[in-house]
Amino acid sequence: NAGVMQNPRHLVRRRGQEARLRCSPMKGHSHVYWYRQLPEEGLKFMVYLQKENIIDESGMPKERFSAEFPKEGPSILRIQQVVRGDSAAYFCASSRVRTGGNEQFFGPGTRLTVL
Amino acid sequence: TQLLEQSPQFLSIQEGENLTVYCNSSSVFSSLQWYRQEPGEGPVLLVTVVTGGEVKKLKRLTFQFGDARKDSSLHITAAQPGDTGLYLCAGASSSNTGKLIFGQGTTLQVKP
Repeated sequence: NAGVMQNPRHLVRRRGQEARLRCSPMKGHSHVYWYRQLPEEGLKFMVYLQKENIIDESGMPKERFSAEFPKEGPSILRIQQVVRGDSAAYFCASSRVRTGGNEQFFGPGTRLTVL
Repeated sequence: TQLLEQSPQFLSIQEGENLTVYCNSSSVFSSLQWYRQEPGEGPVLLVTVVTGGEVKKLKRLTFQFGDARKDSSLHITAAQPGDTGLYLCAGASSSNTGKLIFGQGTTLQVKP
């Protein structure tokens, strides 16, 4: 059983460019979560999606960030006009259900560096 | 806003010693998970505790969920160099919104 897959693992962008991060959840999982880990900080929730729906985006910056989880294909976290402060590790997690133990399984992350 | 305070932040011990990591909050969580993260990798789930007072054991690791579901601890017996890593606790909101609230993490170094 393949785990959560994320690509690319490393992404370098110049200020003002766009960054697209992809996440394929574990087989059978329909819930996807994105978290950001800034240097020397813990993981912070960004957004929670279920197929074609955004359930909770309370952790997403109001501008430049968007996320989607289409019916077919991976979940995408999109950052427009990146700035140096966006440099971080972005992790995707998936779960089979939301209630109960809500066990979330994480991918290896995408390390974004903005020059 | 729900917060999880994790302590200690850093821990350096000798092989064979015991240690305990604490995760505390003033909020109630519906469940709490412990993860371990290696440099350059994503967090790996170690255990999930759901019931207040629950104790789970995973080889030399013992996890406990407080009776009020506001706190948790991770105890490692006879630590080994292979236990070195970043340990994270994460609580699932009692309102079941789906998101996890993470503690700041405990960096453990076990010296041979």
